[in-house]
Amino acid sequence: AQSVTQLDSHVSVSEGTPVLLRCNYSSSYSPSLFWYVQHPNKGLQLLLKYTSAATLVKGINGFEAEFKKSETSFHLTKPSAHMSDAAEYFCVVSDWGSQGNLIFGKGTKLSVKP
Amino acid sequence: GAGVSQSPSNKVTEKGKDVELRCDPISGHTALYWYRQSLGQGLEFLIYFQGNSAPDKSGLPSDRFSAERTGGSVSTLTIQRTQQEDSAVYLCASSLGKQGTGQETQYFGPGTRLLVL
Repeated sequence: AQSVTQLDSHVSVSEGTPVLLRCNYSSSYSPSLFWYVQHPNKGLQLLLKYTSAATLVKGINGFEAEFKKSETSFHLTKPSAHMSDAAEYFCVVSDWGSQGNLIFGKGTKLSVKP
Repeated sequence: GAGVSQSPSNKVTEKGKDVELRCDPISGHTALYWYRQSLGQGLEFLIYFQGNSAPDKSGLPSDRFSAERTGGSVSTLTIQRTQQEDSAVYLCASSLGKQGTGQETQYFGPGTRLLVL
């Protein structure tokens, strides 16, 4: 069965410094992996997705993630944080066994200090 | 273009009452999903509709929960005899195609915030 573990429930960075949100997955199949972002009182927005093409995936707002099969990781990074990046981020794997419903990590809340 | 819409945006009800939550997927999307986001439980899958196939109900937490999708478009999630633990944000998502088609990216609505008193 597929599962996702987000290693940090809360990450705090200063504006202009790099962001690293960690995610490990477990999957019996070649997974489809996603990062979604949820701003306060807003819906979930897709940041980026990996579906077995390039292992380095670029998303919106300067975010990117690298799929590392040997480490079963899909960490999200951004070179320079902006105040507007403050939100909750979810690492997600698509459950092939259930025809595609998403399995969400617990979420990582990103705080950005001025 | 129009995204996924959900109504109502907020719903307050009394324990024991029934509630209906509505989802309008993106036009042309064949797949529709319901999820629940609650404190301490994270985001969990409830039910999945794909075209005219029988829905995948494997995530529904009890028989008080049901959903239907009429005409392959609008979906209604019904919770009967609501309990306080049903309080959560109910999210709907749709995708153009199903898993493995390259069109499986799910787009989420803003959610319905349900509070059961």
